[in-house]
Amino acid sequence: AQKVTQAQTEISVVEKEDVTLDCVYETRDTTYYLFWYKQPPSGELVFLIRRNSFDEQNEISGRYSWNFQKSTSSFNFTITASQVVDSAVYFCALSERTGANNLFFGTGTRLTVIP
Amino acid sequence: DTAVSQTPKYLVTQMGNDKSIKCEQNLGHDTMYWYKQDSKKFLKIMFSYNNKELIINETVPNRFSPKSPDKAHLNLHINSLELGDSAVYFCASSPIPSYEQYFGPGTRLTVT
Repeated sequence: AQKVTQAQTEISVVEKEDVTLDCVYETRDTTYYLFWYKQPPSGELVFLIRRNSFDEQNEISGRYSWNFQKSTSSFNFTITASQVVDSAVYFCALSERTGANNLFFGTGTRLTVIP
Repeated sequence: DTAVSQTPKYLVTQMGNDKSIKCEQNLGHDTMYWYKQDSKKFLKIMFSYNNKELIINETVPNRFSPKSPDKAHLNLHINSLELGDSAVYFCASSPIPSYEQYFGPGTRLTVT
């Protein structure tokens, strides 16, 4: 059975600090997809990144970076030089190749960036 | 240009009523989904439709029924509303299953 664990329920950082959000997943599929979504206080869900299980290359997009490690079943998300606008709930999610391909979400990490 | 839209944004109703939430996407995607987000922010899949065919149906009460008049629309109809149905409901779409899903703004349903 699939499972996504985001052990950090809430994190607070001071503006300009770096912060890493952890995500650990479980799946029996050899082909799967991992995602991060952002939910700001306004409530919408914003897609950030998709990574397939065959691509372990780390990715950087501006101040955001993602570290995918199959050996530890982790897909961590780092925000560099955090800003107040980064305050949101961040969700990690898993989709498996077999079955219905729906997203299984973690419980989310609430990030608060203090000015 | 809204990619995935939902109406209404807020819905307040009494127990026992029947209500519908509409969802439309203009992305040309083949797959659409409904998710429920509870008060603790937990997101759970309810349904998905691919080319107008239901491809998953999680263990949700049969009071909930998705209806897709065409590929661009997936509406959610709820019969005999209960207090526990209060939540935010999100519609989403993706070009094919396993690709990223794009979410609508959500509908906050409050059952009194």
